Amino acid sequence: QLQLQESGPGLVKPSETLSLTCTVSGGSISSSSYYWGWIRQPPGKGLEWIANIHYSGNTYYNPSLKSRATISVDTSKNQFSLKLNSVTAADTAVYYCASRVVVIAAGISHWYFDLWGRGTLVTVSS
Amino acid sequence: DIQMTQSPSSLFASVGDRVSITCRASQGISNYLAWFQQKPGKAPKSLIYASSSLQSGVPSKFSGSGSGTDFTLTISSLQPEDSATYYCQQYNAYPLTFGGGTKVEIK
Repeated sequence: QLQLQESGPGLVKPSETLSLTCTVSGGSISSSSYYWGWIRQPPGKGLEWIANIHYSGNTYYNPSLKSRATISVDTSKNQFSLKLNSVTAADTAVYYCASRVVVIAAGISHWYFDLWGRGTLVTVSS
Repeated sequence: DIQMTQSPSSLFASVGDRVSITCRASQGISNYLAWFQQKPGKAPKSLIYASSSLQSGVPSKFSGSGSGTDFTLTISSLQPEDSATYYCQQYNAYPLTFGGGTKVEIK
C-alpha cells in the first residue's frame, strides 16, 4: 500500500528558503503511472496546488508562486522535494505531498490526486 | 486560470438527509473533476474522480455527476461521520485549482 510522508523544518525565517521532502513507501516513485505533487493549505483556508513532477523530470508549477518554487525527485531514495524561496508569512501553511495517479475511464486518461500525506505545518516567522 | 466555485459554503443537515453540493467551473472542463473530503486536522481524502467514478474503498452513498461547467456531489444518507469539508478540484488544465470548500455539519 502506497504511503507518503512529509518531512522538514516546521519553522522558517522570512526571506529564507522552505525545504520539504516527501518519502514514498510501498511503491516506486519511478512508476510511469504517477505524478507527484505538493499542495498547501493556510490555516483555516482552502487548498492551493503548488507543483507536480514525474520521475522522468517533467514538471508543472503554479504561476501564482512567481517562480519561487522548485520541485525535484530523487529516485534512488524514493523521495521528491519542494523548495520555496523568499518566504513570507503568507507562506505559512500545512504542506501536503500527494500522488497523482492515472486511470483510464471510457478511453480517456484521468490524472487525479488519489493519496495524500498527513501534512506538515510550516510557519514563517522570525 | 480556471476558477472553481462551490455552493453552499456551509450547510447543516440531519442524519439520514440527502445532501448535495454544487461546483461550477469558470470554463468547460469536460469531466476532469475530482472531489475530496477533509476532516479537521486531517489530510484530504479522495472520494471521486472523472466527475462520477468512485475511488476504491469509498462508500456508495457518495456519488458525483456533471460535465462541462456544472458538477454535483451527493451524499445519499448523511451520517455523523460525514461531517467534514468537501472540495472539488479540476484537472483539465494547469494550474490545477480547487473550489473554496463546503463545510457539512450535522444538526
